[in-house]
Amino acid sequence: EAGVAQSPRYKIIEKRQSVAFWCNPISGHATLYWYQQILGQGPKLLIQFQNNGVVDDSQLPKDRFSAERLKGVDSTLKIQPAKLEDSAVYLCASSPGTGDVGEQFFGPGTRLTVL
Amino acid sequence: GQNIDQPTEMTATEGAIVQINCTYQTSGFNGLFWYQQHAGEAPTFLSYNVLDGLEEKGRFSSFLSRSKGYSYLLLKELQMKDSASYLCAALDSNYQLIWGAGTKLIIKP
Repeated sequence: EAGVAQSPRYKIIEKRQSVAFWCNPISGHATLYWYQQILGQGPKLLIQFQNNGVVDDSQLPKDRFSAERLKGVDSTLKIQPAKLEDSAVYLCASSPGTGDVGEQFFGPGTRLTVL
Repeated sequence: GQNIDQPTEMTATEGAIVQINCTYQTSGFNGLFWYQQHAGEAPTFLSYNVLDGLEEKGRFSSFLSRSKGYSYLLLKELQMKDSASYLCAALDSNYQLIWGAGTKLIIKP
């Protein structure tokens, strides 16, 4: 079974530029998560999708971050414009169920550096 | 508020046993997860506890006490490859995972 795919793996941009990350979850997984993980900290949930609907985006800085999951499969997370404090690893995860206790499967992450 | 506490860093010797503690405060509770995260890699699932008691899985065991809001991860026969961060995460009443900052485990020969 293929795992969660993310691209790019690394991205370096200057502040005020835009960047987009892509995630393809495990086939058949209904729930998709985007996390931000700053070095030395645990993951922070940015947004959770169930199929193509948003379940929780309470911690998403909506003035600069946006995300979509068209057709309930892959997803894109965008930052526009980026700030220095956005430097982090952006993890995508998926789980099979909807609103249950299922294990989350993580992708390799995208390491973003904002200069 | 919701909170997860775990030690920032621990050091242990190869072949020994180490216990990583985690305390949690959440709005409702639907179980507790432990994930392992090697440096520069994504977290991988280790265990899930929802009932009180000890769950054993090979060299790793996880314990939960719901009344105390407490869990621990026990690693036996430590190997160098066990050097990683161990993340504790509690599932709240909305089935949202509340993550701790992780415990960095350093294994010395």
